Amino acid sequence: NAGVTQTPKFQVLKTGQSMTLQCAQDMNHEYMSWYRQDPGMGLRLIHYSVGAGITDQGEVPNGYNVSRSTTEDFPLRLLSAAPSQTSVYFCASSYSMPSGGILAKNIQYFGAGTRLSVL
Amino acid sequence: QQPVQSPQAVILREGEDAVINCSSSKALYSVHWYRQKHGEAPVFLMILLKGGEQKGHEKISASFNEKKQQSSLYLTASQLSYSGTYFCGTGGGNKLTFGTGTQLKVEL
Repeated sequence: NAGVTQTPKFQVLKTGQSMTLQCAQDMNHEYMSWYRQDPGMGLRLIHYSVGAGITDQGEVPNGYNVSRSTTEDFPLRLLSAAPSQTSVYFCASSYSMPSGGILAKNIQYFGAGTRLSVL
Repeated sequence: QQPVQSPQAVILREGEDAVINCSSSKALYSVHWYRQKHGEAPVFLMILLKGGEQKGHEKISASFNEKKQQSSLYLTASQLSYSGTYFCGTGGGNKLTFGTGTQLKVEL
């Protein structure tokens, strides 16, 4: 199993350009999420999906779009890149694990990340 | 709202112990702990579901106090390999909110 695969690993954009960050998982996980990581701010949730065809906003969704047409893929689109979107982006997938009768959701398996610079 | 972690950074000598705390202003149903090594993705360490329950991973353990809305991560007899940034994650349902992280450096 490859786990969670993100492409590209690095990207430089000019302000106003658009692009798509790709994310694919081969673990048949229902849940997928996109986070951005900035110095001193930890990981912040951008968008997430609980299954094919279902997406919802996280803490910092502005400027980003997502779609989930298959269980495996969850691309993140930057509509018009801005310098404030310079960050490291992580895609994650998760599943539900039974524990003493209580479902423990959201154990996150992360991709290697995409380092994005917007000039 | 993000959970608050303390300390923000800590430097240890190999073999020393450390405690990392995670506090939330919201009621906690579960707490996750992750470790991220420099330049790598975060990796899941453990999840705590019940108040006061302790979990362990290598010589790393954690506790979860529902009433105080806090969790603590205990690193015992630290090793060089423990260096990295530690994040707690809280939330219910399908969302996980991460703390701002604690940078841990273990030196010889």
